[in-house]
Amino acid sequence: QVQLVQSGAEVKKPGASVKVSCKASGYTFTSYYMHWVRQAPGQGLEWMGIINPSGGSTSYAQKFQGRVTMTRDTSTSTVYMELSSLRSEDTAVYYCARAPTPDNWFDPWGQGTLVTVSS
Amino acid sequence: QSALTQPASVSGSPGQSITISCTGTSSDVGGYNYVSWYQQHPGKAPKLMIYDVSNRPSGVSNRFSGSKSGNTASLTISGLQAEDEADYYCSSLGRVFGGGTKLTVL
Repeated sequence: QVQLVQSGAEVKKPGASVKVSCKASGYTFTSYYMHWVRQAPGQGLEWMGIINPSGGSTSYAQKFQGRVTMTRDTSTSTVYMELSSLRSEDTAVYYCARAPTPDNWFDPWGQGTLVTVSS
Repeated sequence: QSALTQPASVSGSPGQSITISCTGTSSDVGGYNYVSWYQQHPGKAPKLMIYDVSNRPSGVSNRFSGSKSGNTASLTISGLQAEDEADYYCSSLGRVFGGGTKLTVL
């Protein structure tokens, strides 16, 4: 079955960077796009960006431009999301989610990775 | 793009029907049939319930249905059950979300 398994929880200090991984299985990795979405505690969903695992092209939400980098490793069917210059407001659960096209639905989602930014 | 507008909360009794609205603009909800809905239980990842306005993925109960009129999409849940109590989010064009609606089953 299609599955997205993310890396474990992280605790970072302000100003540091974090890199979250999302390993895909059960389908052809390069045939689907991957989005990253985050959810701050008690808040709604916020789109961060998308990567095309086939060629590696990316598109980021304006809010995260310059701070986020999405990459992929086709040999391990894994996508990565790195967020730099962390601040307390970046404390959130980060999800990867598969999509058939850039503009379409997310299914399935990874289990989520809690990133806590605290001094 | 601005977030889509959803009511903060809705409620209903078991067996009743409820509808959650999702209002955008002609540049997102109104302009394309790319509206999807997600159910999220506390501490869990979101789950796709409706895609392309009104299509149900395999395995999703037919008590869930979607529609759209102009710039507003809607999710209807009929025959409410206790397990439907959750947060619901709409999304358009794969990059803008609604603020979420908390469904309480009384």
